[in-house]
Amino acid sequence: RKEVEQDPGPFNVPEGATVAFNCTYSNSASQSFFWYRQDCRKEPKLLMSVYSSGNEDGRFTAQLNRASQYISLLIRDSKLSDSATYLCVVALYNFNKFYFGSGTKLNVKP
Amino acid sequence: EAGVTQFPSHSVIEKGQTVTLRCDPISGHDNLYWYRRVMGKEIKFLLHFVKESKQDESGMPNNRFLAERTGGTYSTLKVQPAELEDSGVYFCASSYSRQGNTEAFFGQGTRLTVV
Repeated sequence: RKEVEQDPGPFNVPEGATVAFNCTYSNSASQSFFWYRQDCRKEPKLLMSVYSSGNEDGRFTAQLNRASQYISLLIRDSKLSDSATYLCVVALYNFNKFYFGSGTKLNVKP
Repeated sequence: EAGVTQFPSHSVIEKGQTVTLRCDPISGHDNLYWYRRVMGKEIKFLLHFVKESKQDESGMPNNRFLAERTGGTYSTLKVQPAELEDSGVYFCASSYSRQGNTEAFFGQGTRLTVV
C-alpha cells in the first residue's frame, strides 16, 4: 500500500471555479503535512503547510482530518496560473522523511 | 539566500557508464534528502542524511547507487554502472531540524537520461 495516495486527475476546470483535492495517508504516526506545487519540468515548491486546525492562505485552504487520515486542498476562484501538479507530502517527524503522493494535475482553462 | 542547488541540470550517458550528481543544500540545513521521479511515477525517496550520517537509505534501489555527504555539507549521488531504468529526474532537498512542521526545500533536479 502506498504511503500517500492522490487522485492523479487531471482536473480540468474553467477560470473562476472552485476545485478541491484530497489525499490520504497510511501511517497514523505522520506528523507533518504539506501541499507542494510542481510546474512542468520544475522542482516541487511548497504551497502551504497543513495544520491540525486548518489554514488558509488567500484563495487556498488546507484541512487535515487525522481521524480519517486525509488532507485536502481547496482552491477558490481558480486562475490560469494555478495550472500545475499538486503534490501531497507527509512526513514522519522523528525521521523527517517525506513521502510524496503521485500528484494531482490541475488544468485551469479560459 | 541561495537555495538548494544541483549539478548538472541534465546528463545523458550511455548504459554502463558512471554518473555523479551533486547537491549543495541550503547553508545550515542538517537534513539532506535524495529523491527521484521516473517517467510516469511519483517522486520516491532514496535516502536521508542528517549531517554526514545516513539516517535512512531504505529507498536506494540497489548497490549501483552510492551516496555520500562528507563533512555534512554537499552530497553526491553516484550511479555505477548506469542502467536504462535509472533514467529520471533526481531531486535533492534539504531542511532544518526543528519542532513542528519542517519544510523541505528542493533543488531544481538533475534530469538523467541513460541511453
